[in-house]
Amino acid sequence: QKEVEQNSGPLSVPEGAIASLNCTYSDRGSQSFFWYRQYSGKSPELIMSIYSNGDKEDGRFTAQLNKASQYVSLLIRDSQPSDSATYLCASLYSSASKIIFGSGTRLSIRP
Amino acid sequence: GAGVSQSPSNKVTEKGKDVELRCDPISGHTALYWYRQSLGQGLEFLIYFQGNSAPDKSGLPSDRFSAERTGGSVSTLTIQRTQQEDSAVYLCASSQTGRTDTQYFGPGTRLTVL
Repeated sequence: QKEVEQNSGPLSVPEGAIASLNCTYSDRGSQSFFWYRQYSGKSPELIMSIYSNGDKEDGRFTAQLNKASQYVSLLIRDSQPSDSATYLCASLYSSASKIIFGSGTRLSIRP
Repeated sequence: GAGVSQSPSNKVTEKGKDVELRCDPISGHTALYWYRQSLGQGLEFLIYFQGNSAPDKSGLPSDRFSAERTGGSVSTLTIQRTQQEDSAVYLCASSQTGRTDTQYFGPGTRLTVL
């Protein structure tokens, strides 16, 4: 069973701090990894993709991938109340055409 | 430009009834996906269409679920003899050919089975 695991949270972070979201995956065949943000009652939107080991930065967001440890993370710097949402980690297997999603981590940024 | 649209936005039905959910993908997107999201859960893959190829139905939870895509565009997800456990938000997404990594989601249909 190919799985993507996340801590459901909620994760509470003070405004302006760094929020760190973590994810592990079970299948070493995974090639691509994604972070989606989902506001309550809304559909998911893609915020970061990462395909190779290391860090990938985009504005206040940094995705980190460690294939040896089968671990993906998302860092959000200078957290804002508007970052409060559920963050879904997902992976795409090289032999498949579908993305497997984790159950999401609920993030709350407190003023 | 127009995004992915889904209808209805909400559907309340009685146990045992059949329901049809519709998805209009972004124009020109050849790939279309259906997912199910139960309360507080992640997205569960249901079915994937790519062009004229046979769909990947590996995520359909039972034979009560079926989907079709007519003319390579609009898709309909049908749930027969609905059960209470079918209550969820059903999300549709589309992408360009070979861009499974960049899916655009519709607003979803919230299905409630009483």
